[in-house]
Amino acid sequence: SQQGEEDPQALSIQEGENATMNCSYKTSINNLQWYRQNSGRGLVHLILIRSNEREKHSGRLRVTLDTSKKSSSLLITASRAADTASYFCATDALGNAGNMLTFGGGTRLMVKP
Amino acid sequence: GAGVSQSPRYKVAKRGQDVALRCDPISGHVSLFWYQQALGQGPEFLTYFQNEAQLDKSGLPSDRFFAERPEGSVSTLKIQRTQQEDSAVYLCASSLAENTGELFFGEGSRLTVL
Repeated sequence: SQQGEEDPQALSIQEGENATMNCSYKTSINNLQWYRQNSGRGLVHLILIRSNEREKHSGRLRVTLDTSKKSSSLLITASRAADTASYFCATDALGNAGNMLTFGGGTRLMVKP
Repeated sequence: GAGVSQSPRYKVAKRGQDVALRCDPISGHVSLFWYQQALGQGPEFLTYFQNEAQLDKSGLPSDRFFAERPEGSVSTLKIQRTQQEDSAVYLCASSLAENTGELFFGEGSRLTVL
């Protein structure tokens, strides 16, 4: 079963616009991560935010975490056509003995040139 | 190698056949994970190894699925008597540490069962 749910499921924007994707999860976490997947490829790690952090930046990426609402958002600023991909949030649940990440269903982002 | 390597990239099997999917993690990575990804869905956890020990296999969907990592490096996911519902991309990921941090994924093995 998937812990996280991304919203929206699909997003289409013009190059240069900002893209915001949201993730909700169910259990308490150690950290939350965002991954990107180009069509037919593996997942690539973008950013990790720990449960005691509220916001993190990496280049054009901004991630927020609200543990009281069990939600996170990923903002991509000044989007480019090359940002077209699926984006997944993944949680490392508190007390997770298996150390595995639980992924959401993803947001499919299309950036039109 | 430079990254996680999976083979074969594509596999077509007739229903009832056995298949074996191989994963070469990044050298020195302690943790290795197998995930199953259906079309248009997020990856679903199958099993986890720490070195050669299989610490969690709670995600394996049936006893037809078996994974091993005998020397703590290369891992094989075996599916016996494949069924159509086994059609998916099987992703392998590794990480350096025992505690969950960044996962490095391979390109996946796409299995199609006819």
